[in-house]
Amino acid sequence: DAGITQSPRHKVTETGTPVTLRCHQTENHRYMYWYRQDPGHGLRLIHYSYGVKDTDKGEVSDGYSVSRSKTEDFLLTLESATSSQTSVYFCAISESGTGMSGTEAFFGQGTRLTVV
Amino acid sequence: GENVEQHPSTLSVQEGDSAVIKCTYSDSASNYFPWYKQELGKRPQLIIDIRSNVGEKKDQRIAVTLNKTAKHFSLHITETQPEDSAVYFCAARSSPGSARQLTFGSGTQLTVLP
Repeated sequence: DAGITQSPRHKVTETGTPVTLRCHQTENHRYMYWYRQDPGHGLRLIHYSYGVKDTDKGEVSDGYSVSRSKTEDFLLTLESATSSQTSVYFCAISESGTGMSGTEAFFGQGTRLTVV
Repeated sequence: GENVEQHPSTLSVQEGDSAVIKCTYSDSASNYFPWYKQELGKRPQLIIDIRSNVGEKKDQRIAVTLNKTAKHFSLHITETQPEDSAVYFCAARSSPGSARQLTFGSGTQLTVLP
């Protein structure tokens, strides 16, 4: 398995509190992603990064921010947690590719977040 | 942006039968189509992928076909076994700007009945 670790694996937090999830990789991959997984919705992209300090929004970015100060770490912050952000969060990494080559995305183990 | 639709959402088959899952995508510039398998409580893992310069790819009991004109691709699993029971996700990758994003379908829960 690719060297990708998420922490924490489980967290329960109260509405209105900030929460930070961490994704750490040892593969030196350029691209890092945060997805959330909810029943009936598959995996939806929250934010992604294409390099240190280079990030952009995905389709469900409201209420979330990210930072990438080092190649190996990608942090996801819920600025003020709400019950609608109860979900399983997956980090993913992929190498940079050119043209038709492309590479697969490797996923972390996931973080189950419950906002009460 | 890209939109990927996946059908069916649930699929039950008898052990030994074949299973087919279908996806359509909207962005004609998408060029990479992976399939992921997710067992209960586990991370999604790649099982097969296909690129837009290929029409079909096979790996043992699984195969993927791609029709670029119709913008759809399918996963075929033959001789299904109980360990094939899982959620399967299709995805399509476009390359807007400098990023390479995967857009996922909503998933298919496959159950193989013994």
